[in-house]
Amino acid sequence: GENVEQHPSTLSVQEGDSAVIKCTYSDSASNYFPWYKQELGKRPQLIIDIRSNVGEKKDQRIAVTLNKTAKHFSLHITETQPEDSAVYFCAATPFYSSASKIIFGSGTRLSIRP
Amino acid sequence: DVKVTQSSRYLVKRTGEKVFLECVQDMDHENMFWYRQDPGLGLRLIYFSYDVKMKEKGDIPEGYSVSREKKERFSLILESASTNQTSMYLCASSPIQGQGKTGELFFGEGSRLTVL
Repeated sequence: GENVEQHPSTLSVQEGDSAVIKCTYSDSASNYFPWYKQELGKRPQLIIDIRSNVGEKKDQRIAVTLNKTAKHFSLHITETQPEDSAVYFCAATPFYSSASKIIFGSGTRLSIRP
Repeated sequence: DVKVTQSSRYLVKRTGEKVFLECVQDMDHENMFWYRQDPGLGLRLIYFSYDVKMKEKGDIPEGYSVSREKKERFSLILESASTNQTSMYLCASSPIQGQGKTGELFFGEGSRLTVL
């Protein structure tokens, strides 16, 4: 089955700097890679996702890159702000017509220093 | 807005008790999931279901069972609770990927279970 590894487990960056979180996956059948953000005491919510037919996707200050050959994908946050402080989870799943077993990485706790 | 509702936010149970955690979604999603969240371990999949009465094991199904008698409801059952099942349990639902849908997971608020 799929195994997703996520690094680093904690990350502290100065406000305004960039943050990068990296994930690797094992199942070559995986072709959908979402990222979820969980603020303290709240439920995880999708912030960006990428499919295997795309190498990069951007949404304002957030971008995700995918290298299918190397089986890794990364989340990039630029111009970090205090509200970016949260736990971020990457995930991988194959695109099936029915069941989608979504496997998560272990999470990265991002702290933004003022 | 999609709403995923978990029946209990906080539960305290004793070792050996039977525990039911219930989850209801109102968006007619085909897929439903139960995850367990522990510090440093992320979100680990216990069971998921892609249709009524259908279920598949996730990565950590031992000690758990599930029931999906209706499309909108997915229950997690701990037949005999143990202290190592103390955790935050998150239910989620998603539509089938395709036809313009991404398969995004919509989570409930979580149920924090303490087993004494």
